[in-house]
Amino acid sequence: QTVVTQEPSLTVSPGGTVTLTCASSTGVVTSGYYPNWFQQKPGQAPRALIYGTSNRHSWTPARFSGSLLGGKAALTLSGVQPEDEADYYCLLYYGGTRVFGGGTKLTVL
Amino acid sequence: EVQLVQSGAEVKKPGESLKISCKGSGYTFSSFWIGWVRQMPGKGLEWMGIIYPYDSDTRYSPSLQGQVTISVDKSISTAYLQWTSLKASDTAMYFCARRGADGSGIDYWGQGTLVTVSS
Repeated sequence: QTVVTQEPSLTVSPGGTVTLTCASSTGVVTSGYYPNWFQQKPGQAPRALIYGTSNRHSWTPARFSGSLLGGKAALTLSGVQPEDEADYYCLLYYGGTRVFGGGTKLTVL
Repeated sequence: EVQLVQSGAEVKKPGESLKISCKGSGYTFSSFWIGWVRQMPGKGLEWMGIIYPYDSDTRYSPSLQGQVTISVDKSISTAYLQWTSLKASDTAMYFCARRGADGSGIDYWGQGTLVTVSS
C-alpha cells in the first residue's frame, strides 16, 4: 500500500517562511505525480491551493508556492499570516488512483 | 459560480444502507470528474474514488474498493456515494470534490456530509 508522508506539525512566526514537504513511499516525487496542495481549517471543507506541482488557483494568495525539492513535493509559505494556521494536505496521483498525505498541522506563533 | 452542494447529515444504525449525494451547478457537470474523500473524526483526508459523469467511468481507491459504490445521474447533475451495509467505522465526514480541466487538479469542494453510524 502506497504511503504519502508529511511532517505531522510545524510552527512558524508571523511574517516568516516555512516549507512543508510531501514524500512518496514509491520513491522520488516527480511532476508526473501532479502534486496538489490543500488547506483545511477546523470545521471547514478543504480548499485547493496548488495543482500540478506549482500552479496556483485563481484564489490562491501569491505567498503560497509549490515546487519539487529533494525528491519530494513542497509547499512554501512566505510572509506567513495568522490566518494561515491550518492543516495542509498534499495529494499525489498514481495512475488510476490518488493518495493523500497524512497532513501537516501548521501553527503560527 | 461553480458549486457542489451535498445532502444533509445522516444518522444510521449498523447494517443499514445509505446513499448520499453531491449536486453540481455553474458548470457543465458531465465534463468534469467528481471525486469522494473521507475524513474520519479527528483524522486526515482519505481518497475514496472518482467518477466521470459523461460515461460513468469509475476508479476506486484499492483500499476501499468493494466497500462503497460511486455512481452518477448526469441528467440531474448529481453524483452519489452508497453503502449497502454500514459499519460503525463508516462514521466520518464525506466530501465530494471536482477535478478541474486537464491538469488543473482538484479545484472545488462540497461542504461535506456527516455520516454517523451508531446502534
